[in-house]
Amino acid sequence: DAKTTQPNSMESNEEEPVHLPCNHSTISGTDYIHWYRQLPSQGPEYVIHGLTSNVNNRMASLAIAEDRKSSTLILHRATLRDAAVYYCILSGSGGSNYKLTFGKGTLLTVNP
Amino acid sequence: DTGVSQDPRHKITKRGQNVTFRCDPISEHNRLYWYRQTLGQGPEFLTYFQNEAQLEKSRLLSDRFSAERPKGSFSTLEIQRTEQGDSAMYLCASSFVATNTGELFFGEGSRLTVL
Repeated sequence: DAKTTQPNSMESNEEEPVHLPCNHSTISGTDYIHWYRQLPSQGPEYVIHGLTSNVNNRMASLAIAEDRKSSTLILHRATLRDAAVYYCILSGSGGSNYKLTFGKGTLLTVNP
Repeated sequence: DTGVSQDPRHKITKRGQNVTFRCDPISEHNRLYWYRQTLGQGPEFLTYFQNEAQLEKSRLLSDRFSAERPKGSFSTLEIQRTEQGDSAMYLCASSFVATNTGELFFGEGSRLTVL
């Protein structure tokens, strides 16, 4: 499986934007980039995913580098409820999404 | 609530005992997954079902572990002769394979402590 590299931790202030980076230099042409987050004492929660183009949804934006070797999850205005571990994961298209391989992720701390 | 539900949420057992966890997926989802998560680590894939068929098992799933999904709805994960190393959070997730959203819906997990 292609691997991802994320910083162990990041810190942000409430109501400020947060840019969470992810490197995936061995990504293949068919790998999707997924982001999940895990709040304390909860199961992971889907945030966003994309293939080549930047993506936006109600939770976040995903900016994908032109060569697809890196991506950035953008939280436009961090809130205290965004404090979580954020996982950047690569997987094959559609049907092979069963085998999401989670790393350790980035622990995001949001300061009031 | 129509999310993925897991039961029990917490289980404390003595080494050598058997434990069983149940997962009820979102009703229209045909895929069901089991993951295990230890402290400070991300979830690790254990196994998954499409309808009632168990299509893949991780090498992490020793012979003491067995999972079933008899009618393609709820699933059970049984651990026989528990060991202290089995202490972890066991997460269930479900998805609908026909979509390409890549979205897995996770339950809140069942935390196992083996004394």
